Amino acid sequence: GAVVSQHPSWVICKSGTSVKIECRSLDFQATTMFWYRQFPKQSLMLMATSNEGSKATYEQGVEKDKFLINHASLTLSTLTVTSAHPEDSSFYICSARGQVNPYGYTFGSGTRLTVV
Amino acid sequence: AQTVTQSQPEMSVQEAETVTLSCTYDTSENNYYLFWYKQPPSRQMILVIRQEAYKQQNATENRFSVNFQKAAKSFSLKISDSQLGDTAMYFCAFSLPNAGKSTFGDGTTLTVKP
Repeated sequence: GAVVSQHPSWVICKSGTSVKIECRSLDFQATTMFWYRQFPKQSLMLMATSNEGSKATYEQGVEKDKFLINHASLTLSTLTVTSAHPEDSSFYICSARGQVNPYGYTFGSGTRLTVV
Repeated sequence: AQTVTQSQPEMSVQEAETVTLSCTYDTSENNYYLFWYKQPPSRQMILVIRQEAYKQQNATENRFSVNFQKAAKSFSLKISDSQLGDTAMYFCAFSLPNAGKSTFGDGTTLTVKP
């Protein structure tokens, strides 16, 4: 139980375009989802916390207009990188929390974004 | 704010031997959770072990065990009988109850040598 699917696993987009990343909880209801960014050989940096049906809470320094997060249902949260630039290239990971796993330790497999 | 420190950027161990990864943290809270995660080259984050701060007994999961020293704010991970598949980056993490989000250390890259 407590499986999280993240899609796509990798994406290449042109500078100036937007890209959407999906995070789905497959077998449980995720009341909260977390979005992280990870640079090579570095730690995970929390970007935002998303609660179903409400606005996401962004960490300090994260541009909410650039990284749009939507958590419209109990099984799906999306991260949209708007007007992407090469510096947005990174590895993005989501994790989901629900009653089955109240500590938020179920992670998606991550999305490698490359902006060219 | 909580901080998590992993002072060993890289470690290596011979296959079948034992290795200990260090982690210290700082918090003013009394009730919290500590985790060790494994991130292999696939980059999938995998929970290795979890410890509740109110439990004195150290958590154990097969070959993985922790040494939790609450007063010293130390949470080390011991891997026994190391296997090649244990090669990965290991992250120590801290979380408060009901908060869900975790604070991660910088990670330790472990290489198991045949």
